[in-house]
Amino acid sequence: QVQLVESGGGLVKPGGSLRLSCAASGFPFSDYYMSWIRQTPGKGLEWLSYISTSDLIIYYADSVKGRFTISRDNAKNSLFLQMNTLRVDDTAVYYCARPIAPADPGGAFDVWGQGTMVTVSS
Amino acid sequence: SSELTQDPAVSVALGQTVRITCQGDSVRNYFASWYQQKPGQAPILVFYGKNNRPSGVPDRFSGSSSGDTASLTITGAQAEDEADYHCNSRDISGNRPVFGGGTRLTVL
Repeated sequence: QVQLVESGGGLVKPGGSLRLSCAASGFPFSDYYMSWIRQTPGKGLEWLSYISTSDLIIYYADSVKGRFTISRDNAKNSLFLQMNTLRVDDTAVYYCARPIAPADPGGAFDVWGQGTMVTVSS
Repeated sequence: SSELTQDPAVSVALGQTVRITCQGDSVRNYFASWYQQKPGQAPILVFYGKNNRPSGVPDRFSGSSSGDTASLTITGAQAEDEADYHCNSRDISGNRPVFGGGTRLTVL
């Protein structure tokens, strides 16, 4: 079935780095723009970044621009988020998500992973 | 503004109708999408576009929009509808998704 599975979360000190992965299955991953979205504990959702099918189009939220890098490997049906210079306020559950329309990353997201927790603390 | 504003909490009596709203300038130009999220779970899309409900979502969930406000209406709320509801749309440029702060729905 259609599935997204995130991994790579954990505990990291402020200023540290972490790389998240998202494994996709059950759909033509290479046809879809993909996004990373996070949710701070007890709070709302925040879109972070999306990447086009061929890496040519990438957008970031201002809160992570210059610190986070999104990438993908279509051959391995995988999406990544390299997070550098992490701050305490980056503590959140990180989700990868698929848009309902393959080439419309600004629209609705119909498939979400289960999320991976990132805790930034000294 | 690229912000979407939602009421933090709303309550409804069992079986009654409740409207959850999402306000922002971008809603004037772009449709909103709505997600239901229960504790410890990922969000689930329940309504999107002009009039679209994903397969498996009960028809008591409906969406609408007027001016700068999008609404999710639950007609005949059930106990299992108690959850957080998030809206999303696009920023003014249309290039970036944006989410509201979420509304916690309590079914009394």
